[in-house]
Amino acid sequence: QSALTQPASVSGSPGQTITISCTGTSSDVGRYQYVSWYQQFPGKAPKLMIYEVFKRPSGVSDRFSGSQSDNTASLTISGLQAEDEADYYCSSWTPTSPYVFGTGTRVTVL
Amino acid sequence: QVQLQESGSGLVKPSQTLSLTCTVSSGSVSTGGYSWNWLRQPPGKGLEWIGYIYYTGSTFYNPSLKSRVSISVDRSENQFSLRLSSVTAADTAIYFCARGDWGLYYLDYLGHGTLVTVSS
Repeated sequence: QSALTQPASVSGSPGQTITISCTGTSSDVGRYQYVSWYQQFPGKAPKLMIYEVFKRPSGVSDRFSGSQSDNTASLTISGLQAEDEADYYCSSWTPTSPYVFGTGTRVTVL
Repeated sequence: QVQLQESGSGLVKPSQTLSLTCTVSSGSVSTGGYSWNWLRQPPGKGLEWIGYIYYTGSTFYNPSLKSRVSISVDRSENQFSLRLSSVTAADTAIYFCARGDWGLYYLDYLGHGTLVTVSS
């Protein structure tokens, strides 16, 4: 099972809105609603930000939102803040592996 | 708040077996509803799921690692463990344990991670 495709980097100025894409296939992202997103700071463990495509765990800012269209899931960060600078990974369930991760995206706040 | 803590050898020789244990607090590996997972992340690279064990003892492994991986559970200690055999330098990584939702497939609690280096 190949990794899901994410852009290597995305940047934005404080206050802007950015979107990170996560592209799979009709056998994973495009077929199942089991996409989750994780935020990871250097030297730290990943943290769950979104699950089931668009649901937010308690305590996660509503500036983070998720969506899906065809074979691509997206994570949108609105009102970008310096504290959002981190790596972000998507994950999708597949019939052969319950957690296939994306290649990861480095978010830089300019 | 569920807490997970990895422990084990940080240095393993090539061809030997990597062994790690995850101790779970404020949660139980003996109740249903959750899978108990291992992930890894080579330095500077992305995440890779290794496998999970369910409270029944059933396991599911990453097909690319299946021939070398074994995950077990110790209900008396509220721990689960990872064994990865025939390691090479490519197995050098930070290893995380995590709790997964059974059925919705997301990881809601992760340990801090432990670095395992494969070197002679």
